[in-house]
Amino acid sequence: DIQMTQSPSSLSASVGDRVTITCRASQGISNSLAWYQQKPGKAPKLLLYAASRLESGVPSRFSGSGSGTDYTLTISSLQPEDFATYYCQQYYSTLWTFGQGTKVEIK
Amino acid sequence: QVQLQESGPGLVKPSQTLSLTCTVSGGSISSGSYYWSWIRQPAGKGLEWIGRIYTSGSTNYNPSLKSRVTISVDTSKNQFSLKLSSVTAADTAVYYCARVGAGFGDPYYYYMDVWGKGTTVTVSS
Repeated sequence: DIQMTQSPSSLSASVGDRVTITCRASQGISNSLAWYQQKPGKAPKLLLYAASRLESGVPSRFSGSGSGTDYTLTISSLQPEDFATYYCQQYYSTLWTFGQGTKVEIK
Repeated sequence: QVQLQESGPGLVKPSQTLSLTCTVSGGSISSGSYYWSWIRQPAGKGLEWIGRIYTSGSTNYNPSLKSRVTISVDTSKNQFSLKLSSVTAADTAVYYCARVGAGFGDPYYYYMDVWGKGTTVTVSS
């Protein structure tokens, strides 16, 4: 199995802050990575795939980067509606796996 | 736009089989290059991918569940289903169905772009 490790597990930030979440794979995954946002009681929402491709309708303040084993989700200017839990997910292997999640809370 | 809706019993007894259906509306389950997937999330925990199916019937399962899982598709009803046998309390979770888009260029990619709202399944006697 490819293990996905996100850091930090949680963070506190203010509206307008730049936020960065990191996802590290236990082996290289060749940009085969998606990011999801989940709010309490709701289904996850796709933000990006192929590490950096923005899903249609997702604000451009969300961006993704990385290569090999290390990937990053960046929110350039945090908005009130961005407080949520974020998950990375690899699809490089037949067994798809998620990171443990990063909870973004209001400071 | 395509919408997904999970349905099935909210309570299942230990050792029995959990059965859920995902109904696809707003589009045909057979159209486009889509897979259809199940994901679950225990309360307060992270997401676990269960498996996926293509409309041809081809499946991939999480090896940790493979001996107990069956995902099937019924194109005539625009539905796909999940069966998980010999359930225990550890199978208690919110179960989501999702549409999986795919691109087979270089790089290839998959993405779960449409999700159902989720259904809570509790395993208890």
